[in-house]
Amino acid sequence: DGGITQSPKYLFRKEGQNVTLSCEQNLNHDAMYWYRQDPGQGLRLIYYSQIVNDFQKGDIAEGYSVSREKKESFPLTVTSAQKNPTAFYLCASSMADVNEQFFGPGTRLTVL
Amino acid sequence: GQNIDQPTEMTATEGAIVQINCTYQTSGFNGLFWYQQHAGEAPTFLSYNVLDGLEEKGRFSSFLSRSKGYSYLLLKELQMKDSASYLCAVVHSWGKLQFGAGTQVVVTP
Repeated sequence: DGGITQSPKYLFRKEGQNVTLSCEQNLNHDAMYWYRQDPGQGLRLIYYSQIVNDFQKGDIAEGYSVSREKKESFPLTVTSAQKNPTAFYLCASSMADVNEQFFGPGTRLTVL
Repeated sequence: GQNIDQPTEMTATEGAIVQINCTYQTSGFNGLFWYQQHAGEAPTFLSYNVLDGLEEKGRFSSFLSRSKGYSYLLLKELQMKDSASYLCAVVHSWGKLQFGAGTQVVVTP
């Protein structure tokens, strides 16, 4: 089946630790995105990538890093510099020049 | 500036109709999406409007007026499973989406 997977669904980390969230898609989509969602708020764009080996900062990139070494994969690292990392993280992908984005199931990160 | 406004919450009874409004002010506009999101799950696509007018898809319809910066999502014959958050999202120049905060719809028996 084609789709987007994110793992794990729930993740707990201690404050000060870096953590990497996985996002994989087998839809052959060129573009991939990372969003953060906080309670009562809409999705906010962290980073996006339109092609392999290229990515751009979104609206709230501080404290996060990404890589795009393969078309299928777009991992997000939440670094210790992110002041408030506890949130629901959503990965999405889309075809080039097509607006509809398909979302993964999300990872809920809790930093203790 | 860029701003998207939608009501925080709406309550309706099963079988009724609910209209969720979305107003936007953006520097670039290439269409508007409506997504449905159940608690703790991923958003799922409902509709996409790029031209003015009404798009109907089963029980759900979406309307757009670009001159007014206004859209609405109409949910007919409400069912309990329609209880969810409904997200309005504006498309900017290259496909970047800007989301509103979402409207929580509560369907009561």
